[in-house]
Amino acid sequence: GENVEQHPSTLSVQEGDSAVIKCTYSDSASNYFPWYKQELGKRPQLIIDIRSNVGEKKDQRIAVTLNKTAKHFSLHITETQPEDSAVYFCAASGGAGGTSYGKLTFGQGTILTVHP
Amino acid sequence: SAVISQKPSRDICQRGTSLTIQCQVDSQVTMMFWYRQQPGQSLTLIATANQGSEATYESGFVIDKFPISRPNLTFSTLTVSNMSPEDSSIYLCSVVVQGGSDTEAFFGQGTRLTVV
Repeated sequence: GENVEQHPSTLSVQEGDSAVIKCTYSDSASNYFPWYKQELGKRPQLIIDIRSNVGEKKDQRIAVTLNKTAKHFSLHITETQPEDSAVYFCAASGGAGGTSYGKLTFGQGTILTVHP
Repeated sequence: SAVISQKPSRDICQRGTSLTIQCQVDSQVTMMFWYRQQPGQSLTLIATANQGSEATYESGFVIDKFPISRPNLTFSTLTVSNMSPEDSSIYLCSVVVQGGSDTEAFFGQGTRLTVV
């Protein structure tokens, strides 16, 4: 089955700095890679995702890059703010059809702390 | 988008007992997914709940321990049977919603289970 490794496990930055979180996956058939933000006591919320036919996707301060050959993808947050402090999870899923997007293999999570 | 309601939001249970968690979605969905998030850990897929057929369990999870019902396209239950303290976790249901070119997995708010 799929295995997703996520690094670093903790990340501390100053407000305004950039933060980068990296993930690698094992199954070359995986084709959907979402990133979730989970605040303490709350449900995971999708912040950005990328599909295997795209190399990069950006949404305001957040971007995700995908390298299919190397089987890794990264989350980039620019101009970080204290409100960005949370646990971030990468995930991967494969197969055809939208329902497969629900069978997610998650990385171990990264605790991001943004200091004012 | 999808609105997912989970009940109960939290519970404290005695070891050896069982707890049934309910998940209600505001729209019809083909598949519903159940995840477990152990304290301070990532999310792990337990099973996929299919309407009209038996649930499909992931490696390490069995039907006798986690029986699932899926009576219709908007509702599912997960039972945690014969509980032990190791079952203390957050249990989340998830659904996939497709809208045009976008597909997203939404999560319920989770059920925080403590077994004493």
